[in-house]
Amino acid sequence: DVKVTQSSRYLVKRTGEKVFLECVQDMDHENMFWYRQDPGLGLRLIYFSYDVKMKEKGDIPEGYSVSREKKERFSLILESASTNQTSMYLCASSLYRGGPETQYFGPGTRLLVL
Amino acid sequence: AQTVTQSQPEMSVQEAETVTLSCTYDTSESDYYLFWYKQPPSRQMILVIRQEAYKQQNATENRFSVNFQKAAKSFSLKISDSQLGDAAMYFCAYLGSSNTGKLIFGQGTTLQVKP
Repeated sequence: DVKVTQSSRYLVKRTGEKVFLECVQDMDHENMFWYRQDPGLGLRLIYFSYDVKMKEKGDIPEGYSVSREKKERFSLILESASTNQTSMYLCASSLYRGGPETQYFGPGTRLLVL
Repeated sequence: AQTVTQSQPEMSVQEAETVTLSCTYDTSESDYYLFWYKQPPSRQMILVIRQEAYKQQNATENRFSVNFQKAAKSFSLKISDSQLGDAAMYFCAYLGSSNTGKLIFGQGTTLQVKP
């Protein structure tokens, strides 16, 4: 079975802090995604990556950056956390770029920015 | 741009009964894929069922089936013989054939199953 893990289930940070959210998948998937989930808005794509060192902006990239140095690991970075970034963050991966592949999700990180 | 709309924020069903969750989408593409994902409380999101737009036959997975109406751009999920373990948030999602795997999600529907 595909396993997608996220470094933390819950995080509490202060405004202005730099925040790192890590995601690791163990099935050699090419694609990796970061979403944020907010009530009434569903999941919105922040960034995605289809290869090592490659990244593409999603629908809401402002205030975020990403890093993919290894195929299995995709990090989401909040350079200077703000209260409006309080949310649930979900990582996902899928097998091939451009294919209708199922996305496999991590358990999520619930981030609170004070 | 493609959009996905789930107009029912919350639904409830009696155990063993049938419930239908609604989803509509907007697209100008002719080839695409549709998905229903399930997110149980405090657990990981998992795929429930998927439908290829070029297939006329509605997808079925055990107690889960879809009613795919391409012309109406409607993609509803029917859960038969509902079980307590079906309680979750359900998301409808769209994947265009020209995208690099980017899913577009609806707002979600929270399903409560009453014993």
